[in-house]
Amino acid sequence: DAGVIQSPRHEVTEMGQEVTLRCKPISGHNSLFWYRQTMMRGLELLIYFNNNVPIDDSGMPEDRFSAKMPNASFSTLKIQPSEPRDSAVYFCASSFSGGKFNEQFFGPGTRLTVL
Amino acid sequence: DQQVKQNSPSLSVQEGRISILNCDYTNSMFDYFLWYKKYPAEGPTFLISISSIKDKNEDGRFTVFLNKSAKHLSLHIVPSQPGDSAVYFCAASASGGYQKVTFGTGTKLQVIP
Repeated sequence: DAGVIQSPRHEVTEMGQEVTLRCKPISGHNSLFWYRQTMMRGLELLIYFNNNVPIDDSGMPEDRFSAKMPNASFSTLKIQPSEPRDSAVYFCASSFSGGKFNEQFFGPGTRLTVL
Repeated sequence: DQQVKQNSPSLSVQEGRISILNCDYTNSMFDYFLWYKKYPAEGPTFLISISSIKDKNEDGRFTVFLNKSAKHLSLHIVPSQPGDSAVYFCAASASGGYQKVTFGTGTKLQVIP
């Protein structure tokens, strides 16, 4: 299994531009999470999907952020317009919901820099 | 409001000695705790976990201790090896719902050869 796949690995853009981050979860997993890592706040959950449906988006910082999961094998996180304070590493994680606890498997992350 | 706190951003330990990473939490509903390990340019990977019905869980060189009354847990690595150098995230979850995992800010461990 290739694990969780994220693209691009690095993104440098200018303030005001649209940014789209992509994620392919592990086949068979039905839960998908988007996280943002910063020095000050650590790993913050942005949004959680279960069976392609957004369940908890309370962590999405503002309307500039949106996420979609059109099918079980693909999700996107979009920032429009981007701002310098959005610079961070964005992780996608997937898990299979069942049993007492569902270990989350993380992708390698996308390092976003907004100039 | 940081519900899971790792107050030490970094820690340096000599190879062969014990590494102790600490974590505090504020939400009394948390009943499952995890440690994730992260190498540079990689995503976090699950390391070890503990349920609130236990106060200790051991896996090889890694042991997690839980003190529920103090809302404190710690990860012990004995003996520490240079390959253990990484960022360690403490995380917590509450039963019910979808088991949302709340992460701390991480502690960067450096094991010096």
